[in-house]
Order: sequence, then structure tokens, then C-alpha cells
Amino acid sequence: DAKTTQPNSMESNEEEPVHLPCNHSTISGTDYIHWYRQLPSQGPEYVIHGLTSNVNNRMASLAIAEDRKSSTLILHRATLRDAAVYYCILRDYNTNAGKSTFGDGTTLTVKP
Amino acid sequence: DAGVIQSPRHEVTEMGQEVTLRCKPISGHDYLFWYRQTMMRGLELLIYFNNNVPIDDSGMPEDRFSAKMPNASFSTLKIQPSEPRDSAVYFCASSPDRPNSPLHFGNGTRLTVT
Repeated sequence: DAKTTQPNSMESNEEEPVHLPCNHSTISGTDYIHWYRQLPSQGPEYVIHGLTSNVNNRMASLAIAEDRKSSTLILHRATLRDAAVYYCILRDYNTNAGKSTFGDGTTLTVKP
Repeated sequence: DAGVIQSPRHEVTEMGQEVTLRCKPISGHDYLFWYRQTMMRGLELLIYFNNNVPIDDSGMPEDRFSAKMPNASFSTLKIQPSEPRDSAVYFCASSPDRPNSPLHFGNGTRLTVT
């Protein structure tokens, strides 16, 4: 399986933008990049996904490098409720389309 | 849509007892996943099903663990006999049969084996 690597932790101030990086240097052409976050005592929840182009939704933006070997999740204005563990994973739509493995993620702390 | 429903939310049992965790996926989702989360090992994929058929169980730790999906709306994860090292939060997730579709997770079952 293609692996992802993320920093263990990051800090942000409330109402400032946050850029969460993810490296996936062994990504294949058929891998989608997905981001999830996990709030305390909850299951992971979907944030955003993309294949090649940058993506925006109401929660965040996803910037994908041109060579697709890295991506960045952007929270435009961090709030205290954004404090969570953020996971970047790859989902292959070719073979093994279902297998989705998680790394250690990045623990985001938001300071008031 | 009620989302992925897991039961029970909490389970406390003694070592050696059988434990059964239950999951109802979102209707229409073709994939169902069982994950285990601990502080030491993070979020581990145990097994996943496609259209009720187990596809990959390479993450199941040992023969004490078994999972079934008798129909599209129900799955169980069974541990027999349970051991203290099985204590963890177990998550069930489902998704449609499109890899650009998100995984939908339940709220998990916190298992404590004493």
C-alpha cells in the first residue's frame, strides 16, 4: 500500500490559517488523496479528497503538488473546534479499491 | 440517514469471555471496514468486506478474531476468547463502491478486557 507521512503535531492560533502537510512519495496514478479528522471520543470524519486538481469545500481546501507526491490541507480560519487529529490517506480506485490504511496523523492544537 | 451505527458503545468484560461487536452500515454502501484504535498502534485496518464478501483480513491479529457480514445491513466482529491486550476502540466504517467516495465511520465501541 502507498504510505503517507505527516508531522506528529502542529499548533495554530485561533482565526489564523493552518497548513497541514502530507507526503505520499510512492503514490500511484490511481490513488485518490483523502483527508479525515478525528475529534476526541469520536470516529474519524471525512474532510476533503482530490486526485490531481486543488479542491475546495465548506470545511477546507486541498492543495495537491503537481507531481502528486505531496498535498496540503488548508483550514482558512482555525477555530477551537478544529483541534483534532488529521489523517491523510490514499484510496486506490484501480486494484484493491477498498483498502484504506491510516498513518499516525497530525495532532492539531488551536490556541485561543 | 442515521449514519453507521455501532453497538454497544462500551463493553467491559473479563479475560476469556466472548465479545461480539455489531455494526450497521449506511444503506447502499458496498464496502464495510473494521478498524481498531489504540494509543500504541494507532488506527489499524482489521478486515474489510465488499458486497458482504471478506476481501482482505490480513489485519486480523490472530485466530481469536473473526468477522462476518451475513447481509448488506449487518456485520459482527467477534473475539473469543478475549484478552486484556484486546482493549481498544473498535470502529466500523462503510463507503460506496467508488474510491473517490468518503469513508463514513461509526462512533466506535470502547472495549475493556479485565
